[in-house]
Formats: sequence, structure tokens, C-alpha cells
Amino acid sequence: GAVVSQHPSRVICKSGTSVKIECRSLDFQATTMFWYRQFPKQSLMLMATSNEGSKATYEQGVEKDKFLINHASLTLSTLTVTSAHPEDSSFYICSASLLGAATEAFFGQGTRLTVV
Amino acid sequence: DAKTTQPPSMDCAEGRAANLPCNHSTISGNEYVYWYRQIHSQGPQYIIHGLKNNETNEMASLIITEDRKSSTLILPHATLRDTAVYYCIVSAGGGADGLTFGKGTHLIIQP
Repeated sequence: GAVVSQHPSRVICKSGTSVKIECRSLDFQATTMFWYRQFPKQSLMLMATSNEGSKATYEQGVEKDKFLINHASLTLSTLTVTSAHPEDSSFYICSASLLGAATEAFFGQGTRLTVV
Repeated sequence: DAKTTQPPSMDCAEGRAANLPCNHSTISGNEYVYWYRQIHSQGPQYIIHGLKNNETNEMASLIITEDRKSSTLILPHATLRDTAVYYCIVSAGGGADGLTFGKGTHLIIQP
């Protein structure tokens, strides 16, 4: 199957700093990627849809100025957590899929963000 | 996307078949049933999906009732590595859409 890779897998940052997470589709092009967040012992929650060449669309309650998404190429989307705070500590996961109807989603391995 | 209901947890003995149920009584005619699993601290992994016919692949079988209001994921010979949270999701667009994850079923394979 197709491969989606995230980097870094783990990051610790100080409160008030910004952190960038990369999501790459390694062997296919993805015009759309998705970003999810997962808090401990909870399920994944969709944060935003990343659209190549246009603005991301955010789910209700997700601050677009805090979670900056850039999808500058067909194989790379980035999520920047700006002015991170301890409550932003979470597991961030991206996904992408091949073109076509009823295709499966391929997920990255996730990024564990800890804000201290 | 329609909502799904799954038991929060299940146990299964290693080597036996694991049968994971899912209710999706409000599924629409164009929505597929997808199953993913998430092993601790990893991204979800696709298992199988179907519309109305039963499906089988190298990982599992998917049995969908005739009225499409429920389905069962079958892992034919469970191993310890199958211990994970299993999510049943209904979606028309599949990977092309953002997915709505429920709480899933935590399947624990016992040695």
C-alpha cells in the first residue's frame, strides 16, 4: 500500500515556541491530506483538511491561527503549532489517500508533541 | 458520516477467531463500512472495507448484514500482535474524506 511518513515522531518544546510537523506521501501524490489530534485514552479527532495550493479548512473549534497548515506541494503538508502551550500536548496524525472512489486512508505514524 | 457503535473492549484467545461487531443503523446507501486498527502510539492501519457484499483479504473478513445496519470484522487466527483498538467507520468518500472516529473496540489477545 501507499506510504505516508511524518516527521518528527516525537518532539518536546518549551511553552510559547512553535513546532512544525511534516507529513509526506512517499510514493503517490495527494491533493488532499488530513490532520488529526488524539489526546490520551481518546479517539482521533479531525482537525483540518489540507488542500494543495489553497487554504486549509478547519473543523469547528480548531483555531486556524494557532494551527497553521501549508500544503505547498502534492507530496508535503505541514502543520505548525504556534505559541504552543501544555494543553497542546497531544498525538498528531496525518492521512492521505489515492485518487478514486471509496479508497482507504493511509496514515502517518504520528507525532507525539509534549509542551513543557 | 453516520455514527457507529462498538463494544468498548473484547478478549480473544490467541489462535482463535476474533469477531468484532459494529452497529451502523443510520448508514446511507452510498456509505461504505471501513475498519481500521490502531496499535498503541502508532497511526491507524487500514484493514478492510465493503459496501454490501462480504469481503475478505489477507488480514481479515468483513461480514455485512443484508440490511447493512451492522457488520462484523473477523480476524481468523488472532495473534498477540493483533492487540489494538479497532475502529469501524462508515463513509461515502473513504480516504478522500476526513474520517469520524468513534471510541472503537479495544481487542486484547490473550496468550
